[in-house]
Amino acid sequence: QVQLQQWGAGLLKPSETLSLTCAVYGGSFSSYYWSWIRQPPGKGLEWIGDINHSGSTNYGPSRNSRVTISVDTSKNQFSLKLSSVTAADTAVYYCARRQPITIFGLVRPGYMDVWGKGTTVTVSS
Amino acid sequence: IVMTQSPATLSVSPGERVTLSCRASQSINSNLAWYQQKHGQAPSLLISGASTRATGIPARFSGSGSGTEFTLTISSLQSEDFAVYYCQQYNSWPSFGGGTKVEIK
Repeated sequence: QVQLQQWGAGLLKPSETLSLTCAVYGGSFSSYYWSWIRQPPGKGLEWIGDINHSGSTNYGPSRNSRVTISVDTSKNQFSLKLSSVTAADTAVYYCARRQPITIFGLVRPGYMDVWGKGTTVTVSS
Repeated sequence: IVMTQSPATLSVSPGERVTLSCRASQSINSNLAWYQQKHGQAPSLLISGASTRATGIPARFSGSGSGTEFTLTISSLQSEDFAVYYCQQYNSWPSFGGGTKVEIK
């Protein structure tokens, strides 16, 4: 049974860098894509970006310049860094596994089938 | 791609049949997933490919649709089904609907 365990600082000041890590236990790391999703308080889900085992990344258009997702295949871990945070970045951050799917003959990341429990990040001065 | 869910809230009694709607702003073929999120928990996958139940999901959950119009149906609502439900397209960069909260009537 695959499990995702995530951790990172929960309280940040404006302009600091958010840093979260997600460890994958119990399954293949190289066969999937690995995502970060966030959920502001009382709101819906927002995809941040994802990465595969070779380090190929996809970022959502709204925060491309502030986001860095990286991977450490030796530890089966992937990480999120979000620079210059503001109060608008306050949210629960989830890591998730994405199943690869084939669209028009190309293998691409698909739906999220395994999720971490989430990390609450609060940005406040 | 903008995903729009309706209604925002649904008040239902246990045992009732529930239908949730999700509309995409452009065709996403069948590249749609449904997730259930209970209070204080991470979302969990219910349906992928618009109609394929995830492992362990009861048969009372069913999904249908393709293109731009999709439906999640719960045939007989159980107490553990009161939650928020999200649709998500993965035909391109992932985007989620705003959610439908299913609450006790």
